[in-house]
Amino acid sequence: QQQVKQSPQSLIVQKGGIPIINCAYENTAFDYFPWYQQFPGKGPALLIAIRPDVSEKKEGRFTISFNKSAKQFSLHIMDSQPGDSATYFCAASDTTSGTYKYIFGTGTRLKVLA
Amino acid sequence: DSGVTQTPKHLITATGQRVTLRCSPRSGDLSVYWYQQSLDQGLQFLIQYYNGEERAKGNILERFSAQQFPDLHSELNLSSLELGDSALYFCASSARGGTSGEQYFGPGTRLTVT
Repeated sequence: QQQVKQSPQSLIVQKGGIPIINCAYENTAFDYFPWYQQFPGKGPALLIAIRPDVSEKKEGRFTISFNKSAKQFSLHIMDSQPGDSATYFCAASDTTSGTYKYIFGTGTRLKVLA
Repeated sequence: DSGVTQTPKHLITATGQRVTLRCSPRSGDLSVYWYQQSLDQGLQFLIQYYNGEERAKGNILERFSAQQFPDLHSELNLSSLELGDSALYFCASSARGGTSGEQYFGPGTRLTVT
């Protein structure tokens, strides 16, 4: 119940395409869902996050779609660029205890071709 | 640059040894989180400290321990090291009071146990 399932494992798109990465969870107590971007040799960097009271959130070219009833959320990258090539992780957290320990998905390696 | 610093960047040691990893959170952040990233286990939450007190525990082995000092820096101690402890260790910090879900990750310490 603590797992966050992420797919696909890897993704290749052409420049300008819209890669979509999906995550699913079981624990209905999860109430905070961030996405992180990680480049090789670097730490994960927060991209965007959402709470279950909204169905969509946009920040720049990054959009999270959230489906509370299906317990799924996804990341869309608009007008993808070669510089977006990185590994993307979704995560979930139950914040009701006042802590924000993340359960991470397994990651999606994205490659954007020039 | 997230503002979180970690030292050392790389660490190579032998089985059975003990090492200490150090993390300095962003200025003003009271919460520090430790994560382990390995190929087979992915990114896993280990432990959280808030203003010197342990706040939450994850999949942290008994051979591992952590503490947060009055100046808010944190140390992760790994003892009786095994080959399987080879991984990237990240710390992250979050805003005052731990009331924000946003965690900012450091660049990590790569531990190699030979």
